[in-house]
Amino acid sequence: DQQVKQNSPSLSVQEGRISILNCDYTNSMFDYFLWYKKYPAEGPTFLISISSIKDKNEDGRFTVFLNKSAKHLSLHIVPSQPGDSAVYFCAASANNQGGKLIFGQGTELSVKP
Amino acid sequence: KAGVTQTPRYLIKTRGQQVTLSCSPISGHRSVSWYQQTPGQGLQFLFEYFSETQRNKGNFPGRFSGRQFSNSRSEMNVSTLELGDSALYLCASSLNSMGQDSQYGYTFGSGTRLTVV
Repeated sequence: DQQVKQNSPSLSVQEGRISILNCDYTNSMFDYFLWYKKYPAEGPTFLISISSIKDKNEDGRFTVFLNKSAKHLSLHIVPSQPGDSAVYFCAASANNQGGKLIFGQGTELSVKP
Repeated sequence: KAGVTQTPRYLIKTRGQQVTLSCSPISGHRSVSWYQQTPGQGLQFLFEYFSETQRNKGNFPGRFSGRQFSNSRSEMNVSTLELGDSALYLCASSLNSMGQDSQYGYTFGSGTRLTVV
């Protein structure tokens, strides 16, 4: 039972354009959502998070949108840069589950110059 | 400040052996979580420790165990290794256990790549 799903294994975007990465979840107990970026042979690097009481959070080029009724979140990267090329994971946590993060399968983003 | 340090970076073990991996969290962080990453299963939660107590456990067999010391450093142990245990093992640290600093996320180490032959 995959509680967090990223249905697109890969995404290719032109430099300067917007990248939109999507994530769906099934567990309504999740109250925090996070996005991580990962390069091969390295640990994930935290990008941005959003609490379930919000519907949008921005940090520089990164914006996360949360649609609770649809159990859907998305990460927007504007403008996309070649250095953004990596695997992006969305993760969810429930406050009563402490440090347990449930990860999606990841989306490999390729930003072409 | 120093990040999360995992040792060793790479490890090759034989089936049936046991292995111990180490994780030193960011100074001041009291929560340490462990994850297994494999191509087929993705990133899966193993367990979390906070103030030397296991607070949460994932769906892994009892061969996987861990502990946390008073200085918050953590170790995980896998006994009777199987070929399927080959994976990247990641640990993550945070200030506390209940995700109250989730706005800053959990900081991951670079992982230990375990190969079982």
